[in-house]
Amino acid sequence: DTGVSQDPRHKITKRGQNVTFRCDPISEHNRLYWYRQTLGQGPEFLTYFQNEAQLEKSRLLSDRFSAERPKGSFSTLEIQRTEQGDSAMYLCASSPQGNGYTFGSGTRLTVV
Amino acid sequence: QKEVEQDPGPLSVPEGAIVSLNCTYSNSAFQYFMWYRQYSRKGPELLMYTYSSGNKEDGRFTAQVDKSSKYISLFIRDSQPSDSATYLCAMSARGGGYQKVTFGTGTKLQVIP
Repeated sequence: DTGVSQDPRHKITKRGQNVTFRCDPISEHNRLYWYRQTLGQGPEFLTYFQNEAQLEKSRLLSDRFSAERPKGSFSTLEIQRTEQGDSAMYLCASSPQGNGYTFGSGTRLTVV
Repeated sequence: QKEVEQDPGPLSVPEGAIVSLNCTYSNSAFQYFMWYRQYSRKGPELLMYTYSSGNKEDGRFTAQVDKSSKYISLFIRDSQPSDSATYLCAMSARGGGYQKVTFGTGTKLQVIP
C-alpha cells in the first residue's frame, strides 16, 4: 500500500454539472476525512467517516455536497450543480486509531 | 478572528540558515499540535506531532509548544533548498481517535542555494 490515493488528479467542469471524486485510504486506516483547500489558505474540514459511518459534517458541506464510504473502504465525494466557488483542491486523508493524518495528493477542481 | 493565525510569508532564507516558523491560536481546548509540509500541487505531509507544551526534536526539525502563550513554533536547522515548501501548522482538541484538525493558512518558505 503506497498511501492515500485520489482520483482524478484534475477535473475541469462546466458550471451546473455534477462531479464525483474518489479516495482510497490506507487499507488499515478506519478513519477517513475530506478537506477543501483554496489558494493561499490552509485545508478546511468538510466531513469525517469512521468505517462506513459519516460522523460529522461541516457547515461548509452544503446540500449540493454528499459523501459516502460504502463498506468502510473507499470514499466518494459528489458535488451537484457545481458553482465557480467550488473551485478548489479537495483533499482526502486517513488515519489509524492514532495520531496524525496521511493526506492524498488531492483532486484539483476547476469550474468554468 | 481565525482560531489559528499564521504569517503567510513568503519567507526567503539562504541555504544553511536556521528557519523559525510560528503560529498563534485562540482556542484553549487545543492540545495536539502538528506541522505539515506541502509542496506545490501536492497534499500536506505530516512533519511533527506534539502533545501539550514542550519541545520535540526530529533530525533538523524542532517543534515547540507554549500553551500558556498559545504559541507554537517550528525550527529548521541547516535549511536546504529541498525544504522550500509551504509549512502549515495544525491543531486539534482531541488525539488518538477522531481528530478534527484546524489548519493555519501556511507559510511559504524559499531556501536559496
